[in-house]
Amino acid sequence: AQKVTQAQTEISVVEKEDVTLDCVYETRDTTYYLFWYKQPPSGELVFLIRRNSFDEQNEISGRYSWNFQKSTSSFNFTITASQVVDSAVYFCALSEGGGSNYKLTFGKGTLLTVNP
Amino acid sequence: GAGVSQSPRYKVAKRGQDVALRCDPISGHVSLFWYQQALGQGPEFLTYFQNEAQLDKSGLPSDRFFAERPEGSVSTLKIQRTQQEDSAVYLCASSWMKGQGLAYEQYFGPGTRLTVT
Repeated sequence: AQKVTQAQTEISVVEKEDVTLDCVYETRDTTYYLFWYKQPPSGELVFLIRRNSFDEQNEISGRYSWNFQKSTSSFNFTITASQVVDSAVYFCALSEGGGSNYKLTFGKGTLLTVNP
Repeated sequence: GAGVSQSPRYKVAKRGQDVALRCDPISGHVSLFWYQQALGQGPEFLTYFQNEAQLDKSGLPSDRFFAERPEGSVSTLKIQRTQQEDSAVYLCASSWMKGQGLAYEQYFGPGTRLTVT
């Protein structure tokens, strides 16, 4: 069975601080996919990134960066120079790739509040 | 282009009533998923369609929950004899699915917030 753990329930930072959101996953599959989604107060989940289990390269997109480490089963997300608009709930999710059903297993989310 | 749309956005039902929630996926998306999100929790998988075929309904919490996608596009999630524990946000997502072993990102609709009184 697959599982995603986001140990940080809430994080509060001041604007321009860097912040890292942790994600630890469990799966028996060798092929799997990891995702991050953002859920702003409006409620709609917004896709941020997908990584597959064969690609451990870290990725940077503007102020966002992701660190994927198979050795520790972690896929952490860092926001550099945070802004108030980054305030949202962030979800890490896992999809096992062995079959045709790519259902997502989500963590419980981390509520990030960026204060001005 | 248009994203995933869901209707109604809000639904209040009295306990025991039947409800139907609609999802319009992104045009051309083969895969369609329904998730249930309780307050303060992450979404939980309910069911999955590939075109009109319902390939996985393992997440449906009881036989009061039923989903269909008869023409491979619009989908309806129906809940019969609603109970208070059914109160949640119901999210629909769609994605491409191309070949084996390749998972595309899912695009989510705004959800339907169901309140059972």
